[in-house]
Amino acid sequence: DAKTTQPNSMESNEEEPVHLPCNHSTISGTDYIHWYRQLPSQGPEYVIHGLTSNVNNRMASLAIAEDRKSSTLILHRATLRDAAVYYCILSTGNQFYFGTGTSLTVIP
Amino acid sequence: DAGITQSPRHKVTETGTPVTLRCHQTENHRYMYWYRQDPGHGLRLIHYSYGVKDTDKGEVSDGYSVSRSKTEDFLLTLESATSSQTSVYFCAISSPGPTNYGYTFGSGTRLTVV
Repeated sequence: DAKTTQPNSMESNEEEPVHLPCNHSTISGTDYIHWYRQLPSQGPEYVIHGLTSNVNNRMASLAIAEDRKSSTLILHRATLRDAAVYYCILSTGNQFYFGTGTSLTVIP
Repeated sequence: DAGITQSPRHKVTETGTPVTLRCHQTENHRYMYWYRQDPGHGLRLIHYSYGVKDTDKGEVSDGYSVSRSKTEDFLLTLESATSSQTSVYFCAISSPGPTNYGYTFGSGTRLTVV
């Protein structure tokens, strides 16, 4: 069962901010929201995660809605190396449920 | 990726033959996972382990078995390979559990069953 809903694809111009949305209306109170990205021919790599509060790290920011039913991954300045599939994931217990993600194209 | 390696990276096998994929970690993490990735399905959990000799099934475990005799190694076996098991297989590790700390993934094994 899909626990998260993301757009299939998005485009961004290089050096502009990118907002990748995710809906997770069935989130439970103990579910963490994780974001991973996958570059071609590689395994997914961790981007950021959070529970209730907005989070920032060197890669990105995570904005979580007050009701936690949606979140947004923010890449502050897209580069060509950010072109990847981005997965929004809810963690339940010891399992992650991956959807099909958003394929981000960065236009030079 | 650093601390986790999968072998082989590529394999072609015939239908009906057994196949074993290996995941090796040097991080001493307790949890290890096997996922498969297919077009249109994202990543789906096959089996996972929460300690030596402690394993459990994921959402697509039929036709697969696993073993973990040492902390560092997690083996995935296809008992009798079928064409539907053609996929890219990823191993992941985490500690103490993925809910808060997240996964580190290997680079994947591309398996083709002909």
